[in-house]
Amino acid sequence: AQKITQTQPGMFVQEKEAVTLDCTYDTSDPSYGLFWYKQPSSGEMIFLIYQGSYDQQNATEGRYSLNFQKARKSANLVISASQLGDSAMYFCAMRDLYNNNDMRFGAGTRLTVKP
Amino acid sequence: DVKVTQSSRYLVKRTGEKVFLECVQDMDHENMFWYRQDPGLGLRLIYFSYDVKMKEKGDIPEGYSVSREKKERFSLILESASTNQTSMYLCASSPQSPANQPQHFGDGTRLSIL
Repeated sequence: AQKITQTQPGMFVQEKEAVTLDCTYDTSDPSYGLFWYKQPSSGEMIFLIYQGSYDQQNATEGRYSLNFQKARKSANLVISASQLGDSAMYFCAMRDLYNNNDMRFGAGTRLTVKP
Repeated sequence: DVKVTQSSRYLVKRTGEKVFLECVQDMDHENMFWYRQDPGLGLRLIYFSYDVKMKEKGDIPEGYSVSREKKERFSLILESASTNQTSMYLCASSPQSPANQPQHFGDGTRLSIL
């Protein structure tokens, strides 16, 4: 069975600094995708970035990048130049790419950006 | 822009009531999902549907049922609400393919059962 682990319940970062949010996963499937979502206090889930298990390069989307280490089964999210608006819950999720219906989510990390 | 709309942001109901949570998507997605979100547990899948009138149980279906009569609408039903169903409920949709597409979420419904 697939499992996602986010070991940091809460993180603090100073505005304009970079921060890394940890995510490790466990799967026996060879083909899978990893997703990161942001959930502000208003509640909506916002998709940030995607990494496929066969992708050769780490994914990047603006200030977001994914530090993908396949052998270690980790997919950490890096946010550069943190902004106050980055304060939110962040969820890591994984899906077997041959089973479009089975998305597994981690418990989440609450990030607080300090001015 | 993609849009998933949940009928209520906040809802308060009483124990034993039958509760309906509605979700509509305008992206012509085949797949639709209902999750429950509780602190420290992340999102847990209640039910999903991959086509009209089709449904599959997720990890925690007990006490819930679903209905998908039209492609764009997916309803979650609490047959007899109980206090342990107080939670945040999130609806999502995604296309059947390609598989690397993310799920798109609604704004969530904070449900309180008194």
